[in-house]
Amino acid sequence: DQQVKQNSPSLSVQEGRISILNCDYTNSMFDYFLWYKKYPAEGPTFLISISSIKDKNEDGRFTVFLNKSAKHLSLHIVPSQPGDSAVYFCAARLRSNTGKLIFGQGTTLQVKP
Amino acid sequence: GAVVSQHPSWVICKSGTSVKIECRSLDFQATTMFWYRQFPKQSLMLMATSNEGSKATYEQGVEKDKFLINHASLTLSTLTVTSAHPEDSSFYICSAIPGTSGRGEQYFGPGTRLTVT
Repeated sequence: DQQVKQNSPSLSVQEGRISILNCDYTNSMFDYFLWYKKYPAEGPTFLISISSIKDKNEDGRFTVFLNKSAKHLSLHIVPSQPGDSAVYFCAARLRSNTGKLIFGQGTTLQVKP
Repeated sequence: GAVVSQHPSWVICKSGTSVKIECRSLDFQATTMFWYRQFPKQSLMLMATSNEGSKATYEQGVEKDKFLINHASLTLSTLTVTSAHPEDSSFYICSAIPGTSGRGEQYFGPGTRLTVT
C-alpha cells in the first residue's frame, strides 16, 4: 500500500507565480515530513522539512504546510523560477530510530518563463 | 556541508559479473546509510539500511545475497550487485544521515547508473 501519495504527476506554472505541490499520507506513525527536489540522473536534494507537531515551516521561497487532521501536506514555492523546474518528492520519516523515509511518487514541476 | 558522493557515476557490466558501488559521506560521519533504487519515472524504492559495524537491514523483497552491503566505516558504505542480470539495470542512490540531524533529513549521493548487458 502506498503510505505517501502525490496524486498529481505534473504541474505547470508561470514564472513569478506560486507553485503548490501536494502530498497525502495514511500512516499516523510519521514524525517528520520532508520535501526533496530531483533532477534527472542526479540524487535528490533536501529542500525543507516539518515536524509532525508543527503546522508550518518557512525557508526563503519555500513554505511547507501540514494539516494533520487531513493527513495532508503541501509545498508552496513563491515566486516560482524556471530553475525550480524538477521532480519534487514528498517523504515521511517513520517514528522510530531507523531514520527510514517513505517517498511519494513525485510531481514534475515545470516553471515557464 | 552534508555532502555525499558515489562512485562510479555510471557503469556497464556483462551478465553474471559483480559490480561494487561506493557511497561516502565527505564532511560528516554517518552511522546509518541507505540504499535506494529508482526505475525510470518512478519513486525511490528503499532497498536496505546500512548500519556501521553491523549487518544491513533489507526491505521485503530485496535479495540479501544478490545485493551485498558493507558499512565498514563511519564514512563509507558499499553495495555489491552480484551475478548481475539485465533486470538489475537501474539507478542506484545512497543516502546518509548526519549524526547531528534533528530534522529527519537524509542527504543523497548523485546516484549510479548501472547497465547490465
